[in-house]
This record gives sequence, C-alpha cells and structure tokens, in this order.
Amino acid sequence: ETGVTQSPTHLIKTRGQQVTLRCSSQSGHNTVSWYQQALGQGPQFIFQYYREEENGRGNFPPRFSGLQFPNYSSELNVNALELDDSALYLCASSLLSMGAEAFFGQGTRLTVV
Amino acid sequence: GENVEQHPSTLSVQEGDSAVIKCTYSDSASNYFPWYKQELGKRPQLIIDIRSNVGEKKDQRIAVTLNKTAKHFSLHITETQPEDSAVYFCAAPYSGAGSYQLTFGKGTKLSVIP
Repeated sequence: ETGVTQSPTHLIKTRGQQVTLRCSSQSGHNTVSWYQQALGQGPQFIFQYYREEENGRGNFPPRFSGLQFPNYSSELNVNALELDDSALYLCASSLLSMGAEAFFGQGTRLTVV
Repeated sequence: GENVEQHPSTLSVQEGDSAVIKCTYSDSASNYFPWYKQELGKRPQLIIDIRSNVGEKKDQRIAVTLNKTAKHFSLHITETQPEDSAVYFCAAPYSGAGSYQLTFGKGTKLSVIP
C-alpha cells in the first residue's frame, strides 16, 4: 500500500450538482496532483498543489478547483457536474521534482447521472 | 507539453512467453520514465522506472530500456504469469510553470493465457 488514501471510493451525483473529493498524501510528500481517468484511457493531469497553492494545471475548465491544506492533504472540487465528468479521479502524492516517484491513491469513482 | 504514444493497445501472450510494450515521448527535457500497472478497479501501481542517465534497468522479471536519442522506452516482461494480466501505462514528465506533471500513454491491456 502507498499510504495515499482517497475518499469517498464511490459517488453518484446528478448533473449540475457539486462534488468534493479528498486525498491524504503519503508522509514526507509535499505535492499532490489530481488526475482524471476515463474508462479505457490513461490518467489525465488536472492540476497540482504544492505548499497550498496551485502549481500547474492541465486542460480542464475553471469549474475544477482544488485546495491543499497545511498537512499536505488535498481536495478536488467540481462544480456544475456534467455527464462527461464521470470517471475515476486519482490523486498522486510526491515530492516536487521531475524525477520524483508519484504514488497513487485508490481513486474515487464518480458517476454523474 | 509532453506527448506520449504507447503501443500496442492490447497484447495477448501465452504463459511463460515474453511481452514487450513500447512508448515514445516528445519532450527532450524529460529525464524520468515510470511504468505503472493497473489491475481492474485498482490504483495504478509503480512497477519500475528509469532515469535518463541509464539505458536499462532490471527488477526480477521486468526490465525497462531507454533510448534518449530516439525518444523511446520499452517495458519487457519475461516468463509471463497470469497475475501479470493488467493494463500497463507508461508516462513521461512535463515541467511547465514550476509543476512536474506526468503525461500518460493510453495503456496496454496485457492478457496472459494460462
């Protein structure tokens, strides 16, 4: 096990609602990255948090937002949910370095109906 | 940004045979190349990685090779076993505006037939 935990594991929401997903990072890691994994696809980078600030963002709209807390845990918030937001959301814990190993949580399976 | 291409998308091998998965990347500044294994319904697990200062790395039945000139790297699994069946992802890092994000390939579904 990686020590990276996510909650909840599964979630069903209605289109237009808002959702908050949570991630606790591995001890000693200061960076959390969030990824969206659609069925049959590789993970896609949403954004990264380092020292409580957003530190890079992928091609996702502003309704995807996040937070990082002093203990390096993190939240992903998605507003105005759309059907296409249905996916596995993964957080990865690491140090801030190009060669740093990234360890994933077990993911949150979000279904938007 | 980084662009990672992965082939093949599916691969079936007989138990005991070898499997090879290949990836190419675009950013010449990339210097770290991890491979992840994802079993159905589970998290991606880091199984091996290679840094740009070496050309090959082995860990028991798995090995990764890197050709920086050609910008491609490969995963080799020897003596495959049924428990090797999973989806494998390669990744390469992209550094932009201070962030270090991973760009993943689309995955290879490996099936090991007993």
